[in-house]
Amino acid sequence: DIQMTQSPSSVSASVGDRVTITCRASQVISSWLAWYQQRPGKAPKLLIYGASSLQNGVPSRFSGSGSGTDFTLTITSLQPEDFATYYCQQSNSFPPTFGQGTKVQIK
Amino acid sequence: EVQLVESGGGLVQPGGSLRLSCAASGFTFSNYWMHWVRQAPGKGLVWVSRINSDETVINYADSVRGRFTISRDNAKNTLYLQMNSLRAEDTAVYYCARITVTRDDAFDIWGQGTMVTVSS
Repeated sequence: DIQMTQSPSSVSASVGDRVTITCRASQVISSWLAWYQQRPGKAPKLLIYGASSLQNGVPSRFSGSGSGTDFTLTITSLQPEDFATYYCQQSNSFPPTFGQGTKVQIK
Repeated sequence: EVQLVESGGGLVQPGGSLRLSCAASGFTFSNYWMHWVRQAPGKGLVWVSRINSDETVINYADSVRGRFTISRDNAKNTLYLQMNSLRAEDTAVYYCARITVTRDDAFDIWGQGTMVTVSS
């Protein structure tokens, strides 16, 4: 199975800050990488697919980049509703695997 | 509105069984591969099982193979997960999720989740 490793595990930030989360795959996955946001007690929500494509309805302050094994999710100008846990997930090969999550907390 | 709604979770003793359901609406259910993903309390997301549109492709995580059975009823727009021989480590929120080829096989629609607690 492909292992997905996110860093950092948590980050403290303020409203208006820029936040970057990194995800590394244990094998090359081309651009088969998605990012999800999960608020407490809620289901995950798709933000980014294909490493850099924004899902319909997701604010443009979210962006994704990378290919191969290294990927980033960037949130520009953090908003109160963005405090959540973020997961990366690869769909290059079966089974689909997730990173361990990055919690974005209020500073 | 495109929606998935899970049901069937609850408290069960070790060795017991539960059947989860996931009712789909707002899209042509029979056209999509469907998955189950679980999340233990305070932990991350873990893939459990998948099924293709006509049930000819079915796969399981090693941790549940031989104990869990995924199925679907396209006439009822419903996905199922039969869970037998449950263990404490199966305690989790179980989500059904849809993948979409136009989203590079990402999970684009998720249910709200149903909690399964395995405890004596």
